[in-house]
Amino acid sequence: EAQVTQNPRYLITVTGKKLTVTCSQNMNHEYMSWYRQDPGLGLRQIYYSMNVEVTDKGDVPEGYKVSRKEKRNFPLILESPSPNQTSLYFCASSGTAFQFGEQYFGPGTRLTVT
Amino acid sequence: ILNVEQSPQSLHVQEGDSTNFTCSFPSSNFYALHWYRWETAKSPEALFVMTLNGDEKKKGRISATLNTKEGYSYLYIKGSQPEDSATYLCASANTGNQFYFGTGTSLTVIP
Repeated sequence: EAQVTQNPRYLITVTGKKLTVTCSQNMNHEYMSWYRQDPGLGLRQIYYSMNVEVTDKGDVPEGYKVSRKEKRNFPLILESPSPNQTSLYFCASSGTAFQFGEQYFGPGTRLTVT
Repeated sequence: ILNVEQSPQSLHVQEGDSTNFTCSFPSSNFYALHWYRWETAKSPEALFVMTLNGDEKKKGRISATLNTKEGYSYLYIKGSQPEDSATYLCASANTGNQFYFGTGTSLTVIP
């Protein structure tokens, strides 16, 4: 089954404790992206990747890091999480350039930073 | 940062009614306009990707139109059913691979 998976689905952590949210897709997609969803705001792009070892900042990259060492995986790293990073996070992938291809979203990761 | 706006914010309709929503986006440097359907407790799912002025797309009872010159897109649902209840998101891509989503229109179809 074609899918995008994320782990963990739920995470409660404390300020400053490094964490990684994993994202994996099995569709051989080149393009992957991370978004955060906050109440009253639209999905906001954090980082995106156009291929292995090619990443770039989205609209709200501060406080996040990403890496793309393999085509299928695109982890999101929070080196020192803060309460304002409490949010619902989605990973997405696309088989063509984002502009022209529909994005497939993962199930979401709900992160709470206390 | 692009300002993508959707209206109305929420909508309640009776089963069988037809309805439509609006997505407004900056028309300069336009690349593509996406529509997604997002059901509660699920992930957004793609409905349409449109790139050309005058584009019209249809999937079952749902259709969409695009006007890139004036910067708007309409999503239409004909004969709404309870299973159409969801939040409908639009997203505009104007530069590179960056996407800007609107805050969505929440549709509730009353049986």
